[in-house]
Amino acid sequence: DTAVSQTPKYLVTQMGNDKSIKCEQNLGHDTMYWYKQDSKKFLKIMFSYNNKELIINETVPNRFSPKSPDKAHLNLHINSLELGDSAVYFCASSRDYEQYFGPGTRLTVT
Amino acid sequence: AQSVTQLGSHVSVSEGALVLLRCNYSSSVPPYLFWYVQYPNQGLQLLLKYTTGATLVKGINGFEAEFKKSETSFHLTKPSAHMSDAAEYFCAVRGGRTGNQFYFGTGTSLTVIP
Repeated sequence: DTAVSQTPKYLVTQMGNDKSIKCEQNLGHDTMYWYKQDSKKFLKIMFSYNNKELIINETVPNRFSPKSPDKAHLNLHINSLELGDSAVYFCASSRDYEQYFGPGTRLTVT
Repeated sequence: AQSVTQLGSHVSVSEGALVLLRCNYSSSVPPYLFWYVQYPNQGLQLLLKYTTGATLVKGINGFEAEFKKSETSFHLTKPSAHMSDAAEYFCAVRGGRTGNQFYFGTGTSLTVIP
């Protein structure tokens, strides 16, 4: 199926750990994104890549580092996890007018 | 700069009643506007979009929205609510320096009362 996929779907970890979330899209899109959705459902753009190049880098802690090995993948690595990082993280891709979202990764930091 | 304001973080309607979710936008260029729906524990799904042309756009599941430039609005409506419409709805505008950034509203949670 053509889609945006993310792994893992759930991630529970302790403070101070380092973790990664992977995203892949097979839609042939040039632009990919990471969003953070907090407990109040507010969606905040974190990063955007176009053709493997960073084009949007909003104010997020530098503990968050995106990596785009190719156009179809945009991974998110988080160092030294904190309680406030607990949220749902969504990957998305776009071409032209629409964004397509992945199913989300629910990160819980204990 | 672009931004979106959704009036009403929670809306409740009776099953069969009209659904009206409000969205106002701010954009320095002709806007591309979107409504997304998020069901519990799922990602966002595109309901409908306005880019150019007809100002009344129809989407999936019987929803439609009208672009009103004079009011800078893009309200979402559905004539008759169904229980399955209960979800979180997000309005968004596309813009930014590269045109690749999407600005989302804070969302409206729709409850449908039997």
